[in-house]
Amino acid sequence: EAGVAQSPRYKIIEKRQSVAFWCNPISGHATLYWYQQILGQGPKLLIQFQNNGVVDDSQLPKDRFSAERLKGVDSTLKIQPAKLEDSAVYLCASRPSGGKNNEQFFGPGTRLTVL
Amino acid sequence: AQKITQTQPGMFVQEKEAVTLDCTYDTSDPSYGLFWYKQPSSGEMIFLIYQGSYDQQNATEGRYSLNFQKARKSANLVISASQLGDSAMYFCAHESDSNYQLIWGAGTKLIIKP
Repeated sequence: EAGVAQSPRYKIIEKRQSVAFWCNPISGHATLYWYQQILGQGPKLLIQFQNNGVVDDSQLPKDRFSAERLKGVDSTLKIQPAKLEDSAVYLCASRPSGGKNNEQFFGPGTRLTVL
Repeated sequence: AQKITQTQPGMFVQEKEAVTLDCTYDTSDPSYGLFWYKQPSSGEMIFLIYQGSYDQQNATEGRYSLNFQKARKSANLVISASQLGDSAMYFCAHESDSNYQLIWGAGTKLIIKP
């Protein structure tokens, strides 16, 4: 089966510009996550979706970050305006709904550099 | 709140030796899971092994095994017969069974020497 797809793989922008990332999860996976991974750290959860609804966005900086999953399948994460500290890898993951012992499957990530 | 601690920022291990990567956690969840993921320099996150808090036996997956000591809140990863391809970052993560969210440690960078 196809894995989690993300695009673009790399993005370089200047501060105060906007950027959008796209994620297509594994078919049938109801739960989708966006993470921010700063160099040298573990991933930090930004937002969790269950189908097309938001389960938890408590760590999403809502003044500049937004995310949507309109049809319960693919998702976009947007940053507007970007700051230097947003430079990181943005990881998308999906998980089958319910049950323990279900790992999250990760996409290749988008490496964002803000100059 | 849950917290994961990985005390080894980096480790060097000779090829073919066994290696233990440490992970301790702090949780108030009555039911939870512990995961280990591998992240090579290419960046993708690869699932290695899972341990449920109520599992009676330690989890094993090929060369990977998890030394789970619930009372001590530790979940160390053991890699037997290390290979050059095992060089990567290794992350321990806690999942709450109430919301299926992962809380991650800072990771351990493992380098296998030939």
